[in-house]
Amino acid sequence: DTTVKQNPRYKLARVGKPVNLICSQTMNHDTMYWYQKKPNQAPKLLLFYYDKILNREADTFEKFQSSRPNNSFCSLYIGSAGLEYSAMYLCASSTLGDEQYFGPGTRLTVL
Amino acid sequence: GEQVEQLPSSLIVQEGASVLINCSYTDSASVYFPWYKQEPGKRLQFIIDIRSNMERKQNQRLTLLFDKKTKHLSLHITATQPGDSAIYFCSANTGGLSGKLTFGEGTQVTVIS
Repeated sequence: DTTVKQNPRYKLARVGKPVNLICSQTMNHDTMYWYQKKPNQAPKLLLFYYDKILNREADTFEKFQSSRPNNSFCSLYIGSAGLEYSAMYLCASSTLGDEQYFGPGTRLTVL
Repeated sequence: GEQVEQLPSSLIVQEGASVLINCSYTDSASVYFPWYKQEPGKRLQFIIDIRSNMERKQNQRLTLLFDKKTKHLSLHITATQPGDSAIYFCSANTGGLSGKLTFGEGTQVTVIS
């Protein structure tokens, strides 16, 4: 099974409220990634977990948090959503350095 | 950091014809270049990749060419079918302990009958 699952598929959030997105994979991949994608733009890496080690991109360091309670699950947490967070959030997993398998995405709309 | 540029941003092709998508990158440390396809309403799907120690890779109707000197890749799709209509993304990875992929903005390919 090469499926990466994401929940929810659609999320409506109010400005200033927290958002928690969930991703799971059953391929025993050591690395899980979160990307942000806006229309007509490239997917942008936000952070990734290699095993239990979290790596966050410098320009999104303070905006996003994440946890990986076990190998299969990874969350993306926004403490206080702003309008600029409206986007598709893509989760992916891989064995580090190999092809990444993507989930279907969560479309977040912040109002 | 790495920057990846794709051209063209969109193209329309007659069914059966060929398509060429160009991709360039800036970081000479990049060593792995996977390509992804996203059909309407579907997830990104890996289609082909190449590593920096290769010049060419073929997977059925897909041929990927890599020029390390010019930091340029090109994806050639032959005998296009309606199912090839999708957005194609080039990406670059510096490898090592960083799994980071830097993506291009994508090329929208539309195959018409």
